Amino acid sequence: AQSVTQLGSHVSVSEGALVLLRCNYSSSVPPYLFWYVQYPNQGLQLLLKYTTGATLVKGINGFEAEFKKSETSFHLTKPSAHMSDAAEYFCAVSDLMNYGGSQGNLIFGKGTKLSVKP
Amino acid sequence: DGGITQSPKYLFRKEGQNVTLSCEQNLNHDAMYWYRQDPGQGLRLIYYSQIVNDFQKGDIAEGYSVSREKKESFPLTVTSAQKNPTAFYLCASSMGQTGVTIQYFGAGTRLSVL
Repeated sequence: AQSVTQLGSHVSVSEGALVLLRCNYSSSVPPYLFWYVQYPNQGLQLLLKYTTGATLVKGINGFEAEFKKSETSFHLTKPSAHMSDAAEYFCAVSDLMNYGGSQGNLIFGKGTKLSVKP
Repeated sequence: DGGITQSPKYLFRKEGQNVTLSCEQNLNHDAMYWYRQDPGQGLRLIYYSQIVNDFQKGDIAEGYSVSREKKESFPLTVTSAQKNPTAFYLCASSMGQTGVTIQYFGAGTRLSVL
């Protein structure tokens, strides 16, 4: 069964600093991986996804993530934080069957709240 | 504009009362989902439906019920059997069940107990 662990429930950075949000997954088959962002009292918005191919994935708002199979990680980064990046970020893995098919369900991590200091 | 509409935005439930949360999508998606979000817990799957007139229990279905009579609608009823209903509820939809299925989310309904 797939699972996701997000290290750090809260991360605080200064404006202009590097953002690094950590995500490790567990999966017995090659995973599909996602990062979503949630602003207060809103739904989730897809930032980026990894399926197959290039391991460095670029998303919206200047975010990117790198799939590292050897480390079972999919960390989210942004070179320079902006005040508008303050939100909660969720890493998710798609529940894949052993044969590689997907039921389409997502398994979410518990989220990391990002604060950006002026 | 296509999207997912959840209503109401805020809902209050009295003891012993059933309440229904609405979720409508005009994305022509086959699959729909209901999640419950509690602080520090991430999202937990309540129910999902991959096709009209069919749905499956997720990880925390007890105390909840759903129906899927139309492709665009997937209402969630929080029954009196759900003893701790206070949470943020999110509805999502996706094109289908195979391959890479990106889920798109509504803006959520916040349910509180009076």
